[in-house]
Amino acid sequence: GENVEQHPSTLSVQEGDSAVIKCTYSDSASNYFPWYKQELGKGPQLIIDIRSNVGEKKDQRIAVTLNKTAKHFSLHITETQPEDSAVYFCAASNNAGNMLTFGGGTRLMVKP
Amino acid sequence: DAGVIQSPRHEVTEMGQEVTLRCKPISGHNSLFWYRQTMMRGLELLIYFNNNVPIDDSGMPEDRFSAKMPNASFSTLKIQPSEPRDSAVYFCASSLQGASRPLHFGNGTRLTVT
Repeated sequence: GENVEQHPSTLSVQEGDSAVIKCTYSDSASNYFPWYKQELGKGPQLIIDIRSNVGEKKDQRIAVTLNKTAKHFSLHITETQPEDSAVYFCAASNNAGNMLTFGGGTRLMVKP
Repeated sequence: DAGVIQSPRHEVTEMGQEVTLRCKPISGHNSLFWYRQTMMRGLELLIYFNNNVPIDDSGMPEDRFSAKMPNASFSTLKIQPSEPRDSAVYFCASSLQGASRPLHFGNGTRLTVT
């Protein structure tokens, strides 16, 4: 089955700096790669996603890049703010579209 | 839309007791997922329903766990008998169609088995 590795497990940045979280996946047939943000006491919330026919996608301060050859994808947050502090999860969906496998999560702390 | 609704938010029970977790998916979504979250194992898929039919239950840990979806607006996850190692946060999520569309998560049920 699919295996998703995520790094780093914790990331501390100063407000205004950029943050980058990286993930690798094992199943070359995976074709959908969402990113979720989880705040304390809440369920994961989708923040951005990318499909395998696209190499990069941007939404304001958030961008995601995908390298299908290397089987890795990354989340970039620019101009970080304290409210960006949360746990971020990457995920990959198998070709059948019946399973979403999550990475282990990254705890992002943005220091004011 | 109220989003995915889970109940209860917190459940504390003694080992050996039956536990039932409930989920109301977003109206119009035809896929429903149950996930379990622990520090050690992260987010694990337990079972996936499509159009109220269980499609993949390979993540259900053992026979003590069972899930049902009697109609499009309700699902339950039951643990009988419960054990301390079942302590975790259980999430329900729904999507328009499968796992290749955005999953919308509820706020989870924190289960503690003593």
